[in-house]
Amino acid sequence: ETGVTQTPRHLVMGMTNKKSLKCEQHLGHNAMYWYKQSAKKPLELMFVYSLEERVENNSVPSRFSPECPNSSHLFLHLHTLQPEDSALYLCASSQSTGTGANVLTFGAGSRLTVL
Amino acid sequence: QKEVEQNSGPLSVPEGAIASLNCTYSDRGSQSFFWYRQYSGKSPELIMSIYSNGDKEDGRFTAQLNKASQYVSLLIRDSQPSDSATYLCAVKRPGGYNKLIFGAGTRLAVHP
Repeated sequence: ETGVTQTPRHLVMGMTNKKSLKCEQHLGHNAMYWYKQSAKKPLELMFVYSLEERVENNSVPSRFSPECPNSSHLFLHLHTLQPEDSALYLCASSQSTGTGANVLTFGAGSRLTVL
Repeated sequence: QKEVEQNSGPLSVPEGAIASLNCTYSDRGSQSFFWYRQYSGKSPELIMSIYSNGDKEDGRFTAQLNKASQYVSLLIRDSQPSDSATYLCAVKRPGGYNKLIFGAGTRLAVHP
C-alpha cells in the first residue's frame, strides 16, 4: 500500500457508541495530523503528532481521543459523540522538520455520521 | 475575523480563460502559504507553495504573494474542465509545529 490509508471510509454510529478511526502512512513521515472537514467550513486542525509526541490539541472536546503508537499509525477514538460531530475526518502526514514539514499528504478521509 | 478568508464562489470561467483565486490572511507573521486542490469527494492535494513576495510559476499555475497586503492568489492559465474543483488556501501559523490553517475554499467551475 502507498500513501496515507484511512479506515473505515464510512461510519455510522449512535451517540452512545464507541468507535475508532484508523490512519496508516507508508511515506516514511514522522508527523501525523487529524483534521475535521464540515460542509462549507474550513478544514479544522484537531491534533498534531510529531515524532509520536502530541504537540497540538486544538481545543478539541474530550469525546475525541487520539492515539499515536508509532510514526506510521494514528487513531482517533470516538465516544458519546453528538450529531454535530458528523463530518469528514481527514488524516494527513508530513515530515516533522525542514521544508517537507509544510507538505501535507492527506488520506481519503472517514465520513462519520452520528445519529 | 477569520484567520484565512476566501470567496466561496462558485467562480465560473470558460475553458481556456485565466482563473484568478484570492485569499487573505490575518496573522502578519505568517511566512508560508499553500494552495491545495480538492476534487468533490476526494482529499486535498498540494499544488503550489510560496514563501517570498512576488510570483512563483509552475506550469499553468502562478502563485502570487504580497505580505504587506496579507494577500495570496493563484492564477490558472488556459483553464480546463479538469481544473474544476475547490481550491483551498492554507497558511502556516508562525511558531509551533506544522500548524496549517485553511480557508473554506473557492469552488472553481470551468465550462467548455
